[in-house]
Amino acid sequence: QSALTQPASVSGSPGQSITISCTGTSSDVGTYNLVSWYQQHPGKAPKLILYEGNKRPSGVSNRFSGSKSDNTASLTISGLQAEDEADYHCSSYASSRTILFGGGTKVTVL
Amino acid sequence: QLRLQESGPGLVKPSETLSLTCTVSGGSISSSSYYWGWIRQSPGKGLEWIESIYYSGSTYYNPSLESRVTISVDTSKNQFSLKLSSVTAADTAVYYCARQRRGAYYVDAFDIWGQGTMVAVSS
Repeated sequence: QSALTQPASVSGSPGQSITISCTGTSSDVGTYNLVSWYQQHPGKAPKLILYEGNKRPSGVSNRFSGSKSDNTASLTISGLQAEDEADYHCSSYASSRTILFGGGTKVTVL
Repeated sequence: QLRLQESGPGLVKPSETLSLTCTVSGGSISSSSYYWGWIRQSPGKGLEWIESIYYSGSTYYNPSLESRVTISVDTSKNQFSLKLSSVTAADTAVYYCARQRRGAYYVDAFDIWGQGTMVAVSS
């Protein structure tokens, strides 16, 4: 199975909105509403920020939102803040009874 | 508050077996709502899921690693463990253990993570 595809980097200015894509196939992202997003600051463990596409765990800012179209899931960060500078990883359950991760996207706040 | 802590050697020789244990505190590993998983991250790279286990021993596994991986759970110690055999330099990574949400027929997001432990494969 192949990993999910994410852009290597995305940047934006404070206050702007950015969107990170996560492209899979009809065997994973396209079929299951089981895409998760993780935020990872340097040297830290990943932190779950969205699950089942657009659900936020308790304590996660509502500036993070998720959506899906066909085989591509997206994470949108609105009102970009300096603290949002981090790596973001997507994952999805797949029909092969596996979990796939994307390669990660580095978000830079200009 | 649930916490996970990885433990094990930080250095393993090529061709040997990497062994890690994850200790769960502040909650029971026997919860019916969760699987328990291992994920790794090679230096400067993305995350790679290794395998996940339920308290009963049921597993979901990554086919690309399955032949070298043994995962087990010890409910009496509230721990689960990973063994990866025949390691090479490509197995050098930070290894994380994490709690994983589950559904009736699937596994879902990793919602609580350990801090991670760096394992280097070198002679």
